[in-house]
Amino acid sequence: DSGVTQTPKHLITATGQRVTLRCSPRSGDLSVYWYQQSLDQGLQFLIQYYNGEERAKGNILERFSAQQFPDLHSELNLSSLELGDSALYFCASSVDSSMNTEAFFGQGTRLTVV
Amino acid sequence: GENVEQHPSTLSVQEGDSAVIKCTYSDSASNYFPWYKQELGKRPQLIIDIRSNVGEKKDQRIAVTLNKTAKHFSLHITETQPEDSAVYFCAALINDYKLSFGAGTTVTVRA
Repeated sequence: DSGVTQTPKHLITATGQRVTLRCSPRSGDLSVYWYQQSLDQGLQFLIQYYNGEERAKGNILERFSAQQFPDLHSELNLSSLELGDSALYFCASSVDSSMNTEAFFGQGTRLTVV
Repeated sequence: GENVEQHPSTLSVQEGDSAVIKCTYSDSASNYFPWYKQELGKRPQLIIDIRSNVGEKKDQRIAVTLNKTAKHFSLHITETQPEDSAVYFCAALINDYKLSFGAGTTVTVRA
């Protein structure tokens, strides 16, 4: 157990819908990172939050948004879902603003858009 | 650029043999290179990492080498065992906050 909790584990929804993925980082970790892993693909960086503030953006679509709350948990919102959004979404956390130390990954949320 | 290239994409080895995975990166400022192992349906887990101030690091059957001049680093697994079968990802830290991952190598250890 990495200490990073993601819910739900599985999500099936229809095209055009909106979903929210949730991540609770390890106790004491201030940074949260979101990654997308499509089938047989690597990990694509989406966005990073540090202590409640957005710090970096990667290849995140405009239909996607995220936030980090005062208790440091984070939510990734995916809207106007398309079939191609089906993927495994991972959250990772680290203790500081840099990933220059070990980043711990959650178990992921598997999103299926039908 | 922020690309990390990883080869091979698949690797099949006989149990007991060695496995080598190679990665190259483009950002000369990168200074942290972790390797993650992802078993089927599970989360990526850090297995070893190396920083730019060292050229090699070893942990039991796993070793990583780094050549900063050539901008490439490699993972070496010796005496492979069936439990080493998994997808391995290399990564390079970009701009101090973003881990850019390679596309992954699926390693299969044949008994």
